[in-house]
Amino acid sequence: KQEVTQIPAALSVPEGENLVLNCSFTDSAIYNLQWFRQDPGKGLTSLLLIQSSQREQTSGRLNASLDKSSGRSTLYIAASQPGDSATYLCAVYRGSTLGRLYFGRGTQLTVWP
Amino acid sequence: DTEVTQTPKHLVMGMTNKKSLKCEQHMGHRAMYWYKQKAKKPPELMFVYSYEKLSINESVPSRFSPECPNSSLLNLHLHALQPEDSALYLCASSQVGGRGNEQFFGPGTRLTVL
Repeated sequence: KQEVTQIPAALSVPEGENLVLNCSFTDSAIYNLQWFRQDPGKGLTSLLLIQSSQREQTSGRLNASLDKSSGRSTLYIAASQPGDSATYLCAVYRGSTLGRLYFGRGTQLTVWP
Repeated sequence: DTEVTQTPKHLVMGMTNKKSLKCEQHMGHRAMYWYKQKAKKPPELMFVYSYEKLSINESVPSRFSPECPNSSLLNLHLHALQPEDSALYLCASSQVGGRGNEQFFGPGTRLTVL
């Protein structure tokens, strides 16, 4: 069974810092990995999707990398802002069963001014 | 249009009520999903529809009844719920194949069962 772990569980930083959020998974036979953002009481916003053949994806101040062999992904947030405060979830898709996303428990990020 | 919409935003119901949650997408996706999320936990998959047919039921109690009337619409019918069913219910959609199942989520319905 695929297990996904996110470290740290919570992170509180001052504005302007560059951040790294970590995600690890036990089964390297994944089809893709997706990073989401969730604001309190809201739905999930897809940030980046990395297919298994890719090593990284970038969107604005966000960069996600994927190392399948070691079972790790990192989400890098440059020049953090208070508006980045949210919970960040990673999820992996093995490709064998439609819809089966394996989620981590998330990193709760607080960026203070 | 990359939006998944859900109605209502909030719902309070008694244990004897019957209510429905609605989800809609116009991205041409042929897979639609229902998730349940409790506070401080990741979403848990409940149901998956592919081409309007139920393809996954994660052993969800029969008091939850999904329906996919057409490729854009997904409903979740609720009957005789328990207080422990109070949660955020999320709908998502994706292509089947293509960009590897990238899922797009709606804003959710906050359900409270009294």
